[in-house]
Amino acid sequence: EPEVTQTPSHQVTQMGQEVILRCVPISNHLYFYWYRQILGQKVEFLVSFYNNEISEKSEIFDDQFSVERPDGSNFTLKIRSTKLEDSAMYFCASSVLAGGVETQYFGPGTRLLVL
Amino acid sequence: AQSVAQPEDQVNVAEGNPLTVKCTYSVSGNPYLFWYVQYPNRGLQFLLKYITGDNLVKGSYGFEAEFNKSQTSFHLKKPSALVSDSALYFCAVRDTKAAGNKLTFGGGTRVLVKP
Repeated sequence: EPEVTQTPSHQVTQMGQEVILRCVPISNHLYFYWYRQILGQKVEFLVSFYNNEISEKSEIFDDQFSVERPDGSNFTLKIRSTKLEDSAMYFCASSVLAGGVETQYFGPGTRLLVL
Repeated sequence: AQSVAQPEDQVNVAEGNPLTVKCTYSVSGNPYLFWYVQYPNRGLQFLLKYITGDNLVKGSYGFEAEFNKSQTSFHLKKPSALVSDSALYFCAVRDTKAAGNKLTFGGGTRVLVKP
């Protein structure tokens, strides 16, 4: 069964450094998402991406964040200058179509620790 | 605005007994409702969803959920729990009146099934 994959599984970085989290969505999916979960808190929506542009973003997704689909398979989340409060589990998800009835399938997550 | 509440942080049940994980939601329009499960060191795995139609939805691994519009609830159930069902369960909602496709998650309920 196709799965969303994410790399790395864990990332430790120093405050102020740039990090890039990578995701490979399911191959025939067209809609991509990033969510995050700070330890002990809810899973929160960050951004959705369709047709090579952001379709929706939350208030968390400020200018420090960016997303890109650099080729036909990868979907990346970049944090330009990490802060301590960016420490969280970051989940990538994808769905076949843009409609809300479509199930979003999640990857295993990248645990980011900012020191 | 859309929101989800999972009133129980943890549910303990003996193997073979029925399992219920509670979820209530709030939306402006009609809800699309989802249940996901997270096993240790794994991503969010889709269990089932309610879009429209029959209020009783059947999903993976013997789980089912009942949509109750008057009580704005979508409780997850399994008639006979297994030790392997021990995991973290998340309810999520999308409001049909909201733009975009973001899911809003509850805080999660940890299920512990004891042998």
